[in-house]
Formats: sequence, C-alpha cells, structure tokens
Amino acid sequence: EAGVAQSPRYKIIEKRQSVAFWCNPISGHATLYWYQQILGQGPKLLIQFQNNGVVDDSQLPKDRFSAERLKGVDSTLKIQPAKLEDSAVYLCASSSPFVEDEQFFGPGTRLTVL
Amino acid sequence: AQSVTQPDIHITVSEGASLELRCNYSYGATPYLFWYVQSPGQGLQLLLKYFSGDTLVQGIKGFEAEFKRSQSSFNLRKPSVHWSDAAEYFCAVGPSGTYKYIFGTGTRLKVLA
Repeated sequence: EAGVAQSPRYKIIEKRQSVAFWCNPISGHATLYWYQQILGQGPKLLIQFQNNGVVDDSQLPKDRFSAERLKGVDSTLKIQPAKLEDSAVYLCASSSPFVEDEQFFGPGTRLTVL
Repeated sequence: AQSVTQPDIHITVSEGASLELRCNYSYGATPYLFWYVQSPGQGLQLLLKYFSGDTLVQGIKGFEAEFKRSQSSFNLRKPSVHWSDAAEYFCAVGPSGTYKYIFGTGTRLKVLA
C-alpha cells in the first residue's frame, strides 16, 4: 500500500513570495490533515478535510494560508505572502474511517523563508 | 487547558540499555494518548495508542507505554534499545473522534554504539 505522498520535499523562498504544497493521501482515506511543525515543537493541526469539505480550520491563519481538496482526494496548501515565521515542516496526514484514530503521515515539506 | 509536556528534550542511551521517555499531560477527561516516532526526513509513525482498558499498552518495534491516571503520565519504555531507534519521539493527547490532538515538543533519542 502506497503511503502519503508530498511534494516538494524542500522549498526555499523569499519573504512575501507565495508557495504551494501538494499532498496525495493513502487511497480510500477520506480524512486529510495539514500540520505545521516548527523546529523544536510538535506538529500543530492547521486544517482537517473530510472528503472535500473542511471539518476544522480554526488554527489556519486565513489571512495568508489557504487549502483546498477539490475532488476529495489530493490537496494543496498555499501560503501567500510568506513570512519568516512560516519556516517549518508542513506535514500531511490521512486517516481511514475503518481504523479508529490512527493518522498516517507523509514525509513533509521543509519550507525555509529568507 | 489541554497540554502535553515531554520534560526531556534530548536523551542519550547506549545500545542494549533500557529506555524510558516521559510524557505528562493535562486534560479534563480521560484522553486518548499516543506515541509517535519521527526518523530524520520521515513523517511520523504511530508506535502505540491508549484509549481505555489495560493501562499497559504494547506497540510496534518492542515499545510499550503505561497510562498512570494518578500521575497524568503516559511514559514510553523499551527494555533494550537498538541503534535504529535513534529518532525523535512525540507524545500526543486528545479527545476521541475529533483528531484535534495536541503534540508534545518531542524527545530526541541518541543511541551510542
């Protein structure tokens, strides 16, 4: 079974530029999550999708971050414009309704904002 | 407020030695508790989870954890560490069914040959 795929793995941008990350969850997983992991901290949930609907985006900085999952499969997280404090690893995870409370994580995208 | 504390930022053990990683939580009800491991350049992998029942939980890779309600702790243990266990370990806590888990800040494990 293929795992959660993310791209790119690394991205370096200047502040005020925009950036997008892509995630393809495990096949059949209806729930998809985006986390932000700042160096020295644990992951923090940004947004949760159930199929193509948003379940929770209470910790998403909506003035600069956006995310979509148009067809209920893969998802894109965008930052526009980026700030220095957005430097972090962005993790995507997915879960199945048949495996209670277990999330499967992708390798992450490491973003550096200069 | 809900919180998770992992008091040890770094731990170094010799290969073959026993390991205990500490996790303390603050939560209003009986929480769901998890331990994840993150190897360099990899995503998080679930080691074990506690929902209810037996307070000693067995996980993958020879790890176990014990839920102690009176101490608000969920410490991770392994009797004999292997060099491949070197990684960062995260404890997480949260309510069932919502996936709004709070992660600790992690403990980085170094294993000496």
